[in-house]
Amino acid sequence: SQQGEEDPQALSIQEGENATMNCSYKTSINNLQWYRQNSGRGLVHLILIRSNEREKHSGRLRVTLDTSKKSSSLLITASRAADTASYFCARIPQPLFGNEKLTFGTGTRLTIIP
Amino acid sequence: NAGVMQNPRHLVRRRGQEARLRCSPMKGHSHVYWYRQLPEEGLKFMVYLQKENIIDESGMPKERFSAEFPKEGPSILRIQQVVRGDSAAYFCASSPTRDRGRSPLHFGNGTRLTVT
Repeated sequence: SQQGEEDPQALSIQEGENATMNCSYKTSINNLQWYRQNSGRGLVHLILIRSNEREKHSGRLRVTLDTSKKSSSLLITASRAADTASYFCARIPQPLFGNEKLTFGTGTRLTIIP
Repeated sequence: NAGVMQNPRHLVRRRGQEARLRCSPMKGHSHVYWYRQLPEEGLKFMVYLQKENIIDESGMPKERFSAEFPKEGPSILRIQQVVRGDSAAYFCASSPTRDRGRSPLHFGNGTRLTVT
């Protein structure tokens, strides 16, 4: 069964606006990772945030993690047409050893309108 | 430094035939994962292998599917007697370590299998 969900399922915004995607999960995690998938391509890793971290930045990306609510969010600031893609969160549960497979959600399809 | 290479990119098989999907991990990576993706869905874990060993195959269907990662050569995902429901994109990912707390996965561009 799915270990969590991203929402919204689809998001369309104007170029230059900020995009926020959310990810919820059900079991305790060691870390949570965000990936991007362009149409017809493989996934590209964006950010890894550990369970003892609350916020992480990488360029125009900002990820937050609230373990009490079992949720994470990905914020893309000043969006560009090239940000059009599907975004997935993936969870590594606790304990880390013996649970090495990433569990992906269903993703958010982001469309940036030029 | 070449990324994860998967071939073929597209594979068409008739029902009942065999499909062989190949994955060459990034240089220096000895850990390989296979995932399946249906249209408009997320990735579903199938199998995790290290050189010559299957570490976790909890996502593999019990019949017709097998995977290997030999000492030399690419990892192979084999689907025997394919059915229409096997039509999907199959992605391979690799990592230099087992530690998913430190090392993200590097994905190939997938093999799109169509069963007619």
